Amino acid sequence: GENVEQHPSTLSVQEGDSAVIKCTYSDSASNYFPWYKQELGKRPQLIIDIRSNVGEKKDQRIAVTLNKTAKHFSLHITETQPEDSAVYFCAAGGGADGLTFGKGTHLIIQP
Amino acid sequence: DAGITQSPRHKVTETGTPVTLRCHQTENHRYMYWYRQDPGHGLRLIHYSYGVKDTDKGEVSDGYSVSRSKTEDFLLTLESATSSQTSVYFCAIRIIRDTEAFFGQGTRLTVV
Repeated sequence: GENVEQHPSTLSVQEGDSAVIKCTYSDSASNYFPWYKQELGKRPQLIIDIRSNVGEKKDQRIAVTLNKTAKHFSLHITETQPEDSAVYFCAAGGGADGLTFGKGTHLIIQP
Repeated sequence: DAGITQSPRHKVTETGTPVTLRCHQTENHRYMYWYRQDPGHGLRLIHYSYGVKDTDKGEVSDGYSVSRSKTEDFLLTLESATSSQTSVYFCAIRIIRDTEAFFGQGTRLTVV
């Protein structure tokens, strides 16, 4: 089955700086790569996703890049703000089977 | 919230007792999933369903069973709860395969 590794487990950045979270996956059949944000006590919610036929996708301050050859994808958050503090999860999957999630990154934005 | 409701939201139960968690959706989506979330483990897939009476095992299915007799309901049963099953359980749906999963609010289960 699919295996997703996510790093780092904790990331602390100064407000206004950029944050990068990296994930690797093992199954070359995976073709869908979402990123979720989870605030304390809340459900995970999608913030951005990318498909295997695309190398990069941006949405305002958030971007995701995908390298299919190396089987890794990354989340980039620019101009970080206090409300970006949360746990972020990457995931990978293909077809209708469930997504496989990384273990999460706790992002801390320092004022 | 994609019309997903989980019940109960919180439950405390004793070791060895059976427990059933319910996931209800209002929009007749085909694909439904149960995950558990534990610190340091992220979200792990327990079981999933492609439709009525069509279910399959996920990564951590031991000790759990599921049923889907109606499109709108996906039930997760712990036949004999153990302390290792203390967790937050999330139900999710996918509208189309290869798309995002929408999560319910979660059920916090404590087995004492």
